[in-house]
Amino acid sequence: AQSVTQLGSHVSVSEGALVLLRCNYSSSVPPYLFWYVQYPNQGLQLLLKYTSAATLVKGINGFEAEFKKSETSFHLTKPSAHMSDAAEYFCAVSELGGGADGLTFGKGTHLIIQP
Amino acid sequence: DAGVTQSPTHLIKTRGQQVTLRCSPISGHKSVSWYQQVLGQGPQFIFQYYEKEERGRGNFPDRFSARQFPNYSSELNVNALLLGDSALYLCASSLTLATEGETQYFGPGTRLLVL
Repeated sequence: AQSVTQLGSHVSVSEGALVLLRCNYSSSVPPYLFWYVQYPNQGLQLLLKYTSAATLVKGINGFEAEFKKSETSFHLTKPSAHMSDAAEYFCAVSELGGGADGLTFGKGTHLIIQP
Repeated sequence: DAGVTQSPTHLIKTRGQQVTLRCSPISGHKSVSWYQQVLGQGPQFIFQYYEKEERGRGNFPDRFSARQFPNYSSELNVNALLLGDSALYLCASSLTLATEGETQYFGPGTRLLVL
């Protein structure tokens, strides 16, 4: 069974600093990986996804993530944090051959931006 | 273009009651999935419907049921409500059956409180 671990339920960075949100997956086969963002009282918005085309994936709002099979990781980064990046971030996995059983999400990381 | 819409936005019920949540997918999308997000957790997959048939089911009791209509909209029903059913219920749509990397687009959710 696949699972997702997001290290750090809360991450605090200063405005303008590097953002690094960690995600590790457990899957028997290389999965498809997603990062979603959730602003307060809203649904989930797709930031980016990995589908094996390229290991470095660029998304919206300046975010990118790198798939590292050897480390079973898919960490999310942004070079310079902005106040508007404050939100909840979720990593999710869809396993190759997993059928129609939806996405498996991590517990989320709350990103706090200090002025 | 309109995104995924859900109604109602908020709902308060008492234990033992029944509730129906509604979802309209993005125009042209034929698949709808339902997720439950308990406070402080990531979303958990409940159902996926495609072309009016259930195609995937998560680990939820039979009190949870759903259906999809010819216009691809969907309803989620929960019977005999328990306090633990209090959560944000998210609907997601995709062009086709959401397997293996197909992007799912989420609505704003329905927040259900069971007293």
